[in-house]
Amino acid sequence: EVQLLESGGGLVQPGGSLRLSCAASGFTFSNYAVSWVRQAPGKGLEWVSGISGNSGTTYYADSVKGRFTISRDNSKNTLYVQMNSLRAEDTAVYYCAKGRYMVAATTGFDYWGQGTLVTVSS
Amino acid sequence: QSVLTQPTSVSAAPGQKVTISCSGSSSNIGNNYVSWYQQLPGTAPKLLIYDNNKRPSGIPDRFSGSKSGTSATLAITGLQTGDEADYYCGTWDSSLSVVVFGGGTQLTVL
Repeated sequence: EVQLLESGGGLVQPGGSLRLSCAASGFTFSNYAVSWVRQAPGKGLEWVSGISGNSGTTYYADSVKGRFTISRDNSKNTLYVQMNSLRAEDTAVYYCAKGRYMVAATTGFDYWGQGTLVTVSS
Repeated sequence: QSVLTQPTSVSAAPGQKVTISCSGSSSNIGNNYVSWYQQLPGTAPKLLIYDNNKRPSGIPDRFSGSKSGTSATLAITGLQTGDEADYYCGTWDSSLSVVVFGGGTQLTVL
């Protein structure tokens, strides 16, 4: 059974940093791209960042470029996102989502985690 | 303002059919596969359709997807009260090099 389990969310002050993790199981992690997708309270889905199966390619939304860094450790079946210079508008539930292919330049996220809430507030 | 345009809401009676449109451009829908997601209240999104018209295992054939030019459509037949949810389309945008989602459509089954 495929499972994705996010952790690391919480309350952080504006300008602060946070690292989210997503532990994957039930599939060959290195064979698939994974992404972070967020959803602000009462709002729609916003894709944040994606990484290919072999970490060779990463992509970022303009809203987080230069502040967030996506990475993965295939030996630990874990996806990460390091979030720096956090702003109030980064407040959201962050989901990790598994792609259907190794390449990140596509959609079709077939499994999602339960999400972890990040709140940026003073 | 989302790159992909969806109606804010749609509604229909139980047993009826509803369609949800998703409009984009040549840099996204026009040249890339479209996927559709269902999000029930308080839960994570669930993949309904991928590669324009393919259903993952376990998704009933009441859900179908199609694409024509720079637009895509999700159709749901035999509506059930359990289908009340938010629905999102998504695709890759080759010009922006990002995944883009529609703003979401709230389905009400009257």
